[in-house]
Amino acid sequence: GENVEQHPSTLSVQEGDSAVIKCTYSDSASNYFPWYKQELGKRPQLIIDIRSNVGEKKDQRIAVTLNKTAKHFSLHITETQPEDSAVYFCAALAGQGGTSYGKLTFGQGTILTVHP
Amino acid sequence: TAGITQAPTSQILAAGRSMTLRCTQDMRHNAMYWYRQDLGLGLRLIHYSNTAGTTGKGEVPDGYSVSRANTDDFPLTLASAVPSQTSVYFCASSDPGVPDTQYFGPGTRLTVL
Repeated sequence: GENVEQHPSTLSVQEGDSAVIKCTYSDSASNYFPWYKQELGKRPQLIIDIRSNVGEKKDQRIAVTLNKTAKHFSLHITETQPEDSAVYFCAALAGQGGTSYGKLTFGQGTILTVHP
Repeated sequence: TAGITQAPTSQILAAGRSMTLRCTQDMRHNAMYWYRQDLGLGLRLIHYSNTAGTTGKGEVPDGYSVSRANTDDFPLTLASAVPSQTSVYFCASSDPGVPDTQYFGPGTRLTVL
């Protein structure tokens, strides 16, 4: 089955700096890669996702890049703010990708702390 | 709309007892999922359902069962709880109009003593 590794497990940055979180996956058939943000005691919230037919996607201060050859993808947050502090999870879709139904495999999470 | 809801919010359960965690969505999503979240392990898929009447096993299905009698509800049952099932449980659903994107419920924190 799919295996997703996420690094680093913790990341501390100063407000205004950039933050980068990286994930690798094992199943070359995976074709959907979402990123979730989870604040303490809350549910995971989708913040951005990318499909295998594109190499990069941006949404304001966040961006995701995908390298299918190397089987890794990364989340980039620019101009970080204290409210960006949370746990971030990457995931990869295994199994029936491209249809309505998919089984996501998650990374272990990254605790991001943005210091004012 | 309420979106996706779970009940109870939290529960303390004695080992050996049974428990059903409830999950309801009003978005008419075909697919639903149950995950458990443990510190340092991220979210792991327990069971899933592609559509009403069908279910499948995820990564960690042992000790859990599910049913999908209709589109809206996807209950998760622990027949005989053990302490290792102490976790936070999240239900999720996905919209066939936006394939693969999953939306999560608020979670149930379960402690088995």
